[in-house]
Amino acid sequence: GIQVEQSPPDLILQEGANSTLRCNFSDSVNNLQWFHQNPWGQLINLFYIPSGTKQNGRLSATTVATERYSLLYISSSQTTDSGVYFCAVASSNTGNQFYFGTGTSLTVIP
Amino acid sequence: KAGVTQTPRYLIKTRGQQVTLSCSPISGHRSVSWYQQTPGQGLQFLFEYFSETQRNKGNFPGRFSGRQFSNSRSEMNVSTLELGDSALYLCASSLGPASSYEQYFGPGTRLTVT
Repeated sequence: GIQVEQSPPDLILQEGANSTLRCNFSDSVNNLQWFHQNPWGQLINLFYIPSGTKQNGRLSATTVATERYSLLYISSSQTTDSGVYFCAVASSNTGNQFYFGTGTSLTVIP
Repeated sequence: KAGVTQTPRYLIKTRGQQVTLSCSPISGHRSVSWYQQTPGQGLQFLFEYFSETQRNKGNFPGRFSGRQFSNSRSEMNVSTLELGDSALYLCASSLGPASSYEQYFGPGTRLTVT
């Protein structure tokens, strides 16, 4: 299968700070998504980004498929950004099933 | 448009019993995937159904099975429950095969096995 590594595993920020979350993967992928899991367990879609750059409000993401990594940027963080951020990938080389990283746990303090 | 719905939301079962979980995808979505989330193993892929056919299966024992109906609704079944099956079970739907389309997740079913 594909190895998906996320860093850092834990992050504590002051409200208003910026952060960068990283996702490295071990094979070429045809699908990559970023999710935010809220305290009730719901996975919220952030970005569908197998390649390129996208922005949505205070969040943006970049995937450099040739170098096998993706970055999620959070600017002007708010307490509601707290939670776990997951990167998930799928590859036709490994049966097209999805592999999730272990997540980055973000805590934003007021 | 309604999101992915899962029923029941919470479930408590005893070892040795069996359980059936249900997932209704977003209208028009033809693929449904199932995942298990535990503190120790994280999020793991169980299986994917597309147009009523199992397209992919993760590394889980045969006690875990699923099916998809003609209206794209899906069920997963776990037989002979073990304590280790306690987990949050998440389903996701996508327009087409999950590997090529954006997936959307339901709220999950939290299963506790005692």
